[in-house]
Amino acid sequence: GAGVSQTPSNKVTEKGKYVELRCDPISGHTALYWYRQSLGQGPEFLIYFQGTGAADDSGLPNDRFFAVRPEGSVSTLKIQRTERGDSAVYLCASSSRPWGTSGGNTGELFFGEGSRLTVL
Amino acid sequence: KNQVEQSPQSLIILEGKNCTLQCNYTVSPFSNLRWYKQDTGRGPVSLTIMTFSENTKSNGRYTATLDADTKQSSLHITASQLSDSASYICVVSERDSNYQLIWGAGTKLIIKP
Repeated sequence: GAGVSQTPSNKVTEKGKYVELRCDPISGHTALYWYRQSLGQGPEFLIYFQGTGAADDSGLPNDRFFAVRPEGSVSTLKIQRTERGDSAVYLCASSSRPWGTSGGNTGELFFGEGSRLTVL
Repeated sequence: KNQVEQSPQSLIILEGKNCTLQCNYTVSPFSNLRWYKQDTGRGPVSLTIMTFSENTKSNGRYTATLDADTKQSSLHITASQLSDSASYICVVSERDSNYQLIWGAGTKLIIKP
């Protein structure tokens, strides 16, 4: 697609429910990132995919959070037993350059519009 | 501890005026510094990316400077427009980082007609 697409744009759920957030990166981008942004804060790193594999999931706050990218394109962030503290905007970004390769660390990140999650 | 601090926290200027936003960082070893523009309710959009060897980079009316010795960067906006109203976020990458960018809290810029 022309840009990074995220769905849903808004999700309101009740405490304890399960939520899935989807990210469709720019076509051909092998690197995909998930971030979480709370109001007035900069984005917080969650997980980085290179192709189908999670190259770094050290930012996932706990085992209620999980992300997949089975075919190396679309990624889904899954949150189990949601808590009110999970309320935030979840941002997805993609890049054409894998991190760690020549030029990879300066590869531009293209962000989606985010999925705003509200846990009541 | 690696940190990125931005000032001012917020800024209001009149349309047509210039302004400069500041970013100080303590990230070491340094890889690159990015400035992003984030409109309310939207994802961040990259304005500039600078490596250690670059000390200035322009993108239209936006000019970023970098002093890697003093670990300071600035973003200068010329002839501001109403559409420049947004948060501007400074992001620094550590050379050996495991893909994690260190984000500043941003400067909220409001342009008034």
